[in-house]
Amino acid sequence: DQQVKQNSPSLSVQEGRISILNCDYTNSMFDYFLWYKKYPAEGPTFLISISSIKDKNEDGRFTVFLNKSAKHLSLHIVPSQPGDSAVYFCAASARAGNQFYFGTGTSLTVIP
Amino acid sequence: GAGVSQSPRYKVAKRGQDVALRCDPISGHVSLFWYQQALGQGPEFLTYFQNEAQLDKSGLPSDRFFAERPEGSVSTLKIQRTQQEDSAVYLCASSLLPARTQYFGPGTRLLVL
Repeated sequence: DQQVKQNSPSLSVQEGRISILNCDYTNSMFDYFLWYKKYPAEGPTFLISISSIKDKNEDGRFTVFLNKSAKHLSLHIVPSQPGDSAVYFCAASARAGNQFYFGTGTSLTVIP
Repeated sequence: GAGVSQSPRYKVAKRGQDVALRCDPISGHVSLFWYQQALGQGPEFLTYFQNEAQLDKSGLPSDRFFAERPEGSVSTLKIQRTQQEDSAVYLCASSLLPARTQYFGPGTRLLVL
């Protein structure tokens, strides 16, 4: 039972344009969300987080939006750069829990 | 070191062999997690430690999997009598606080032949 879903396995974007990666979740108890970036043969690298008390968090070119009523979050990267090409995972946890639940990832390719 | 380290990075085992995977978390991080990542999937939770206490082992797939963190720092994930379905990347992560940002190591890629 996948509690965190990333329905787009892959995404291609032109350099300089906006990349939008989406993530849906089913558990209304989730209150903390993370995005990770993963290059081949490396572990996931933390990118940005958001708590359920906010609906937006921004860090440089990366912005995460949270829509609690829709149980949906998205990661916006603007402008996209070729070095952003990687697999992006969203993850969610509940304050009462200890583990994070991960989506299956979206492979982003930024075309120069 | 500055980040989470894991060893070995790659391990090839014959079916039935026992393996031990090591994780060195970020210094001062009380929480430590093990995840299993199959090809094309996201990491899946195996077990969680707070200091030396194993608080959750609900994700361990069978009793052949065993994890320990005896002094609240380094952790070892042991897999006994490995099977082909155990082939995966095993990721370790640590965090300062439970249920908050986790920092991952590079993983150990296990291949069972």
